[in-house]
Amino acid sequence: SYVLTQPPSVSVAPGKTARITCGGNNIGSKSVHWYQQKPGQAPVLVIYYDSDRPSGIPERFSGSNSGNTATLTISRVEAGDEADYYCQVWDSSSDHPVFGGGTKLIVL
Amino acid sequence: QLQLQESGPGLVKPSETLSLTCTVSGGSISSSSYYWGWIRQPPGKGLEWIGSIYYSGSTYYNPSLKSRVTISVDTSKNQFSLKLSSVTAADTAVYYCARVKRIVDYWGQGTLVTVSS
Repeated sequence: SYVLTQPPSVSVAPGKTARITCGGNNIGSKSVHWYQQKPGQAPVLVIYYDSDRPSGIPERFSGSNSGNTATLTISRVEAGDEADYYCQVWDSSSDHPVFGGGTKLIVL
Repeated sequence: QLQLQESGPGLVKPSETLSLTCTVSGGSISSSSYYWGWIRQPPGKGLEWIGSIYYSGSTYYNPSLKSRVTISVDTSKNQFSLKLSSVTAADTAVYYCARVKRIVDYWGQGTLVTVSS
């Protein structure tokens, strides 16, 4: 089964740029999706197909994917961005989503 | 706007069967190309895919849970359901139903199921 590896936490000061990574074997050949989850809420899709943003998601959120690492970048971080972030790919061999372990974004 | 809502008991005894239903509104569960799935999240932990069902009835289960999981669909009620047998405390989690097509684009609000005697 395909494994996605995320750092447990990333800390960033308000106004700075946060980068959350998602590692996987040749992940650059897959499409990566990112979800934001705030306490007590269901996850919300913030980036899909590596770098597309759903409507309503600020332009501050962007994504990239190459080689063995996909990255979610949040520019001009705000206190309201503090949340858990999960990356996800699709396992085509068995038709199911695979999630990373999640990264807690801490806004200092 | 598509909406999903989980329903079912919030407390299940060890060794019994957990049963949840997801009601879909604002769209048809028979829409082609979509899977309807269950995802759970133990307290303080990450997301775990449980399984998915296609509107035609084809099912796909997490291998680690496959022996205990049954997912079914009732297109007449626009619902799909989860049954997880022989539960233990390790099955305590928030259970989400969701629409899945490579992306999990719609989620239910989630329901906490506690396994305890």
